[in-house]
This record gives sequence, C-alpha cells and structure tokens, in this order.
Amino acid sequence: NAGVTQTPKFRVLKTGQSMTLLCAQDMNHEYMYWYRQDPGMGLRLIHYSVGEGTTAKGEVPDGYNVSRLKKQNFLLGLESAAPSQTSVYFCASSNLLAVLDTQYFGPGTRLTVL
Amino acid sequence: AQTVTQSQPEMSVQEAETVTLSCTYDTSESDYYLFWYKQPPSRQMILVIRQEAYKQQNATENRFSVNFQKAAKSFSLKISDSQLGDAAMYFCAYRSNNDMRFGAGTRLTVKP
Repeated sequence: NAGVTQTPKFRVLKTGQSMTLLCAQDMNHEYMYWYRQDPGMGLRLIHYSVGEGTTAKGEVPDGYNVSRLKKQNFLLGLESAAPSQTSVYFCASSNLLAVLDTQYFGPGTRLTVL
Repeated sequence: AQTVTQSQPEMSVQEAETVTLSCTYDTSESDYYLFWYKQPPSRQMILVIRQEAYKQQNATENRFSVNFQKAAKSFSLKISDSQLGDAAMYFCAYRSNNDMRFGAGTRLTVKP
C-alpha cells in the first residue's frame, strides 16, 4: 500500500515549456486535490476532483489544467510555464465520507521555472 | 473567503516540555472541520489531529491536544512532553465542503 505517490520529485523548466505532474493513489479514494506551497503562504488549492471524469477549480487555478481519467490518477498540467509557477506541488486524496475527511498527502514535487 | 491565520512564524521548546501553537480562522459556515498537519523536512504532510466543529469536546491524540474555541474561532495545538521528532513545520487547516484553507505555518524547533 503506497498511499499517494507523485512523479516527478524534481523538475526544472524554461519559461514557456509544458509539463504534466502525475499523482496516483491506491486507497480507492473519491476525492483528489492539487496544491501549491509557496514560502510564507501555506498550501493553496489549485484544482480538485470529486470523482473519475470530474474536476473543479480551487483557489488558484489560473495557468493549470487537470484531468481525472482514472479514479486512481490525477494529472496536473502546465501548458506554458511561467516563473510565478515555481513552487512545491502537493497532491492529496480523501475518502468520500465527509465525517472522515482526512486528506492523505503525497511527498511533493519541487518545480523550478527559469 | 475563509482565512486561516497562524501568528507565530517560529516557536521553540525544550525537550520534554509543553508548547502551544496558535491558530485563528474566519468563516461564516456552521459546519466545518479543523486540522493540524505536521510537515517534517521530508516535505510530506502528516495529519496530527482533527476537530469537527459540531463537537464541543476538544480532540486529543496521545501527546497532542487542541483547545477549540468556536465562538472565538480559535484552534490551538498543545504538544506535551515534546520530543526531538516533533521538530517540523506545523500547519493549521480549515475545511468546509470542498474549500480547504491552510495557514502559513509555524516552524517548531525542539532543543535537547
């Protein structure tokens, strides 16, 4: 049982390049999330998904796209990377039941955009 | 919009002593959850403790407990018998429906 995994762990991009971050969970969770963490600001929600085939915007969605084609995977895409997207990205998942709404986090991906 | 404020960027505590980390939040919702997460240098976010807003009793998990004051919108974390392994960033978080907000974090140092 690996929990939540993220690939890659590190990435350096040039401005304008594109890339996709992959999140996978093996807990059969319905909900999945993408956050970014910047110094002094805590985590901010980018996009989330409440089930396979569904996605929704979070607090800071601009410049990102997501897809949830399979229940266990949640992809975060940057079509044209900008230096402002330099951050640490965290994926998380949670059970459908709100009363046990604990989010399980992946180890994070450090992205640098030059 | 809901906000979460952690007013202590850094705290330190002597090993085996007790420390309290502060958190306040702002919301107009009546049904929500509050969390404390620990983030060690490995960067992984680890749930420390959770509190449902409808419960008046403060949550406790071993050496970790909270002081939840709903009217004051305050949610502090108390760590008793601090251990070296408790050193980390601690984040307070609020969740209502699909809105999840985090505070900026408090860096806790434990002195041997």
